[in-house]
Amino acid sequence: GEDVEQSLFLSVREGDSSVINCTYTDSSSTYLYWYKQEPGAGLQLLTYIFSNMDMKQDQRLTVLLNKKDKHLSLRIADTQTGDSAIYFCAEKGSQGNLIFGKGTKLSVKP
Amino acid sequence: DTEVTQTPKHLVMGMTNKKSLKCEQHMGHRAMYWYKQKAKKPPELMFVYSYEKLSINESVPSRFSPECPNSSLLNLHLHALQPEDSALYLCASSQERVVGHNEQFFGPGTRLTVL
Repeated sequence: GEDVEQSLFLSVREGDSSVINCTYTDSSSTYLYWYKQEPGAGLQLLTYIFSNMDMKQDQRLTVLLNKKDKHLSLRIADTQTGDSAIYFCAEKGSQGNLIFGKGTKLSVKP
Repeated sequence: DTEVTQTPKHLVMGMTNKKSLKCEQHMGHRAMYWYKQKAKKPPELMFVYSYEKLSINESVPSRFSPECPNSSLLNLHLHALQPEDSALYLCASSQERVVGHNEQFFGPGTRLTVL
Protein backbone atom coordinates (compact mmCIF):
# COMPACT_ATOMS: atom_id res chain seq x y z
CA GLY A 1 0.00 0.00 0.00
CA GLU A 2 0.93 3.66 -0.17
CA ASP A 3 1.55 5.48 3.11
CA VAL A 4 3.85 8.29 4.23
CA GLU A 5 4.91 9.04 7.82
CA GLN A 6 6.53 12.16 9.30
CA SER A 7 7.31 13.52 12.73
CA LEU A 8 4.80 16.24 13.60
CA PHE A 9 6.90 19.01 15.14
CA LEU A 10 10.41 20.45 14.96
CA SER A 11 11.76 23.51 16.73
CA VAL A 12 15.12 25.07 15.90
CA ARG A 13 16.98 28.32 16.51
CA GLU A 14 17.57 30.79 13.71
CA GLY A 15 20.85 30.00 11.94
CA ASP A 16 20.81 26.31 12.89
CA SER A 17 20.17 23.48 10.44
CA SER A 18 16.77 21.77 10.38
CA VAL A 19 16.32 18.14 9.43
CA ILE A 20 12.84 16.87 8.66
CA ASN A 21 12.40 13.12 8.25
CA CYS A 22 9.90 11.03 6.34
CA THR A 23 9.33 7.33 5.70
CA TYR A 24 7.27 5.89 2.90
CA THR A 25 6.06 2.39 2.17
CA ASP A 26 5.69 2.10 -1.60
CA SER A 27 9.07 0.95 -2.92
CA SER A 28 7.88 1.49 -6.49
CA SER A 29 7.55 5.26 -5.96
CA THR A 30 9.58 6.96 -8.66
CA TYR A 31 9.46 10.52 -7.38
CA LEU A 32 9.41 11.92 -3.88
CA TYR A 33 8.60 15.52 -3.07
CA TRP A 34 8.88 18.13 -0.36
CA TYR A 35 6.18 20.78 -0.19
CA LYS A 36 5.97 23.82 2.10
CA GLN A 37 2.70 25.28 3.36
CA GLU A 38 2.54 28.61 5.14
CA PRO A 39 -0.53 29.42 7.28
CA GLY A 40 -3.68 29.86 5.23
CA ALA A 41 -1.86 29.28 1.96
CA GLY A 42 -1.58 26.61 -0.71
CA LEU A 43 1.35 24.25 -1.13
CA GLN A 44 4.65 25.28 -2.66
CA LEU A 45 6.94 22.66 -4.16
CA LEU A 46 10.41 23.04 -2.60
CA THR A 47 12.25 20.20 -4.24
CA TYR A 48 11.90 16.65 -5.46
CA ILE A 49 14.15 13.64 -5.93
CA PHE A 50 14.05 10.79 -8.40
CA SER A 51 14.25 7.34 -6.87
CA ASN A 52 17.59 6.49 -8.53
CA MET A 53 19.32 9.37 -6.71
CA ASP A 54 20.75 9.35 -3.18
CA MET A 55 21.08 13.06 -2.71
CA LYS A 56 20.01 16.31 -4.24
CA GLN A 57 21.19 19.78 -3.22
CA ASP A 58 19.49 23.02 -4.12
CA GLN A 59 20.90 26.12 -2.39
CA ARG A 60 20.03 25.77 1.32
CA LEU A 61 18.08 22.55 0.78
CA THR A 62 19.56 19.05 0.78
CA VAL A 63 17.43 15.97 0.19
CA LEU A 64 18.74 12.56 1.18
CA LEU A 65 17.09 9.35 0.03
CA ASN A 66 17.74 5.91 1.50
CA LYS A 67 15.79 3.57 -0.75
CA LYS A 68 16.65 0.48 1.26
CA ASP A 69 15.05 1.93 4.40
CA LYS A 70 12.45 3.96 2.44
CA HIS A 71 13.65 7.03 4.31
CA LEU A 72 13.68 10.57 2.98
CA SER A 73 15.01 13.67 4.71
CA LEU A 74 15.07 17.39 4.05
CA ARG A 75 17.87 19.47 5.51
CA ILE A 76 17.50 23.24 5.58
CA ALA A 77 20.79 25.00 6.22
CA ASP A 78 20.95 28.34 8.06
CA THR A 79 17.25 28.17 8.96
CA GLN A 80 15.49 31.54 8.98
CA THR A 81 12.26 32.69 10.65
CA GLY A 82 10.70 32.80 7.17
CA ASP A 83 11.19 29.04 6.98
CA SER A 84 8.57 28.54 9.71
CA ALA A 85 5.80 26.54 8.04
CA ILE A 86 4.44 23.03 7.67
CA TYR A 87 6.55 20.75 5.48
CA PHE A 88 4.92 17.83 3.71
CA CYS A 89 6.72 14.88 2.29
CA ALA A 90 4.82 13.30 -0.63
CA GLU A 91 5.23 10.34 -2.90
CA LYS A 92 3.83 9.98 -6.35
CA GLY A 93 1.11 7.36 -6.31
CA SER A 94 0.47 4.78 -8.98
CA GLN A 95 -2.22 6.94 -10.57
CA GLY A 96 -0.13 10.10 -10.69
CA ASN A 97 -1.73 11.55 -7.57
CA LEU A 98 0.32 12.78 -4.60
CA ILE A 99 0.18 10.93 -1.29
CA PHE A 100 1.14 13.27 1.52
CA GLY A 101 2.57 12.65 4.94
CA LYS A 102 0.87 14.29 7.91
CA GLY A 103 3.24 17.26 7.77
CA THR A 104 5.98 18.53 10.09
CA LYS A 105 5.44 21.91 11.69
CA LEU A 106 8.77 23.74 11.76
CA SER A 107 9.09 26.54 14.30
CA VAL A 108 12.15 28.78 14.06
CA LYS A 109 13.02 30.77 17.16
CA PRO A 110 15.01 34.00 16.80
CA ASP B 1 2.48 32.39 -15.95
CA THR B 2 3.03 29.61 -13.38
CA GLU B 3 0.03 30.40 -11.29
CA VAL B 4 -3.09 28.50 -10.33
CA THR B 5 -5.86 30.82 -9.23
CA GLN B 6 -8.86 29.91 -7.12
CA THR B 7 -12.04 31.82 -6.34
CA PRO B 8 -13.48 32.64 -3.96
CA LYS B 9 -10.81 32.85 -1.28
CA HIS B 10 -13.38 32.32 1.47
CA LEU B 11 -16.91 30.92 1.31
CA VAL B 12 -19.54 30.55 4.00
CA MET B 13 -22.64 28.59 3.06
CA GLY B 14 -25.66 27.00 4.66
CA MET B 15 -26.53 23.34 4.28
CA THR B 16 -29.28 24.10 1.76
CA ASN B 17 -27.19 26.38 -0.47
CA LYS B 18 -25.68 25.62 -3.86
CA LYS B 19 -22.32 27.17 -4.59
CA SER B 20 -19.33 26.60 -6.86
CA LEU B 21 -15.58 26.80 -6.42
CA LYS B 22 -13.50 27.82 -9.42
CA CYS B 23 -9.93 27.07 -10.42
CA GLU B 24 -7.99 28.34 -13.42
CA GLN B 25 -4.53 27.77 -14.89
CA HIS B 26 -2.92 29.00 -18.11
CA MET B 27 0.18 26.81 -18.12
CA GLY B 28 -1.18 24.41 -20.73
CA HIS B 29 -1.43 21.67 -18.13
CA ARG B 30 -3.65 18.73 -19.03
CA ALA B 31 -4.20 17.32 -15.54
CA MET B 32 -6.13 19.12 -12.82
CA TYR B 33 -6.86 18.04 -9.27
CA TRP B 34 -9.14 18.82 -6.34
CA TYR B 35 -7.83 18.16 -2.83
CA LYS B 36 -9.57 18.63 0.51
CA GLN B 37 -7.51 19.67 3.53
CA LYS B 38 -8.93 19.62 7.05
CA ALA B 39 -7.22 21.62 9.78
CA LYS B 40 -3.85 20.19 10.86
CA LYS B 41 -4.15 17.37 8.29
CA PRO B 42 -2.50 16.71 4.92
CA PRO B 43 -4.37 17.31 1.67
CA GLU B 44 -6.49 14.38 0.52
CA LEU B 45 -7.21 13.77 -3.13
CA MET B 46 -10.84 14.11 -4.23
CA PHE B 47 -10.86 14.18 -8.04
CA VAL B 48 -8.46 14.15 -10.97
CA TYR B 49 -9.19 15.31 -14.49
CA SER B 50 -6.91 14.33 -17.33
CA TYR B 51 -7.49 15.87 -20.75
CA GLU B 52 -10.82 17.20 -19.49
CA LYS B 53 -12.08 13.75 -18.54
CA LEU B 54 -12.62 12.57 -14.99
CA SER B 55 -9.90 10.02 -14.27
CA ILE B 56 -10.12 9.53 -10.53
CA ASN B 57 -12.99 9.96 -8.08
CA GLU B 58 -11.80 9.00 -4.61
CA SER B 59 -15.26 7.86 -3.45
CA VAL B 60 -16.34 11.43 -2.87
CA PRO B 61 -20.01 11.97 -1.86
CA SER B 62 -22.29 13.14 -4.65
CA ARG B 63 -22.91 16.46 -2.91
CA PHE B 64 -19.54 17.38 -4.49
CA SER B 65 -19.75 17.54 -8.27
CA PRO B 66 -16.67 18.37 -10.33
CA GLU B 67 -16.70 19.86 -13.79
CA CYS B 68 -13.96 20.60 -16.30
CA PRO B 69 -15.47 22.87 -18.97
CA ASN B 70 -12.15 23.29 -20.79
CA SER B 71 -8.46 22.56 -20.30
CA SER B 72 -7.87 25.73 -18.26
CA LEU B 73 -10.84 25.59 -15.91
CA LEU B 74 -11.94 23.30 -13.13
CA ASN B 75 -15.07 23.78 -11.06
CA LEU B 76 -16.38 22.09 -7.94
CA HIS B 77 -20.13 22.39 -7.49
CA LEU B 78 -21.39 22.11 -3.94
CA HIS B 79 -24.90 21.20 -2.87
CA ALA B 80 -26.44 20.15 0.44
CA LEU B 81 -23.11 20.13 2.25
CA GLN B 82 -22.63 19.16 5.88
CA PRO B 83 -20.70 21.07 8.56
CA GLU B 84 -17.99 18.39 8.46
CA ASP B 85 -17.30 19.41 4.85
CA SER B 86 -15.78 22.65 6.17
CA ALA B 87 -12.15 22.62 5.02
CA LEU B 88 -9.58 24.22 2.72
CA TYR B 89 -10.21 23.09 -0.86
CA LEU B 90 -7.08 23.10 -2.96
CA CYS B 91 -6.84 22.95 -6.72
CA ALA B 92 -3.67 21.81 -8.46
CA SER B 93 -2.52 21.24 -12.00
CA SER B 94 0.32 19.37 -13.68
CA GLN B 95 1.62 18.81 -17.19
CA GLU B 96 0.36 15.23 -17.35
CA ARG B 97 -1.23 12.90 -14.84
CA VAL B 98 1.11 9.95 -14.72
CA VAL B 99 4.23 10.23 -16.88
CA GLY B 100 7.53 11.21 -15.26
CA HIS B 101 8.20 13.92 -12.76
CA ASN B 102 4.96 15.70 -12.63
CA GLU B 103 5.19 18.81 -10.53
CA GLN B 104 1.80 19.76 -9.23
CA PHE B 105 1.24 23.50 -8.92
CA PHE B 106 -1.21 24.38 -6.19
CA GLY B 107 -3.58 27.28 -5.92
CA PRO B 108 -4.00 29.20 -2.63
CA GLY B 109 -7.20 27.34 -1.82
CA THR B 110 -10.77 28.24 -0.91
CA ARG B 111 -11.56 28.23 2.80
CA LEU B 112 -15.08 26.77 3.02
CA THR B 113 -17.26 26.99 6.11
CA VAL B 114 -20.59 25.15 6.17
CA LEU B 115 -23.04 26.36 8.80
